Amino acid sequence: ETGVTQTPRHLVMGMTNKKSLKCEQHLGHNAMYWYKQSAKKPLELMFVYNFKEQTENNSVPSRFSPECPNSSHLFLHLHTLQPEDSALYLCASRPANAIVGALHFGNGTRLTVT
Amino acid sequence: DAKTTQPNSMESNEEEPVHLPCNHSTISGTDYIHWYRQLPSQGPEYVIHGLTSNVNNRMASLAIAEDRKSSTLILHRATLRDAAVYYCILETRTGANSKLTFGKGITLSVRP
Repeated sequence: ETGVTQTPRHLVMGMTNKKSLKCEQHLGHNAMYWYKQSAKKPLELMFVYNFKEQTENNSVPSRFSPECPNSSHLFLHLHTLQPEDSALYLCASRPANAIVGALHFGNGTRLTVT
Repeated sequence: DAKTTQPNSMESNEEEPVHLPCNHSTISGTDYIHWYRQLPSQGPEYVIHGLTSNVNNRMASLAIAEDRKSSTLILHRATLRDAAVYYCILETRTGANSKLTFGKGITLSVRP
């Protein structure tokens, strides 16, 4: 148990659907991250939030829309996705402003776009 | 971003020590060295981190070269549960923000 919970674990959606991924942590962390892990490729950082403010958008297409309503919750809203967006989406958290701190990852949402 | 280079894969025998190398020749003076591992069907898991001195914890040891251009993760007695992808990562800080950029990692296989 990592302390970071992601739902759903698996999601299949069509290209015209709208869906959302949810991430929740009760570790008291104030920094939250979305990463994408495609087959045979390294983890790609997508978004970073510090104290609910977005501090990093790593050139992510607008069909991915993050939301961070509070320090414990992070969402990734999906719409009009492409088949190449199929991947494992990982959420992580850590203490913000720490000199250095371990990232705590959830077990991810396996997304398939048909 | 400073990058790391790791071999693609390594095999080891159960209950023997394992040394996983990592090169990071462009590391800057303030970059921390992190190691994470990812077991099948799970998110990455923190293993250890360091700056200049060697570090030990219950999972592993981290040996950092004097010039900091390379490091080695040491698993003292490999078990079958240690089979995973191990990532060597540099943490780059810019003001209050920090970024951890993952590479492809090294796939460790453990033989019974």
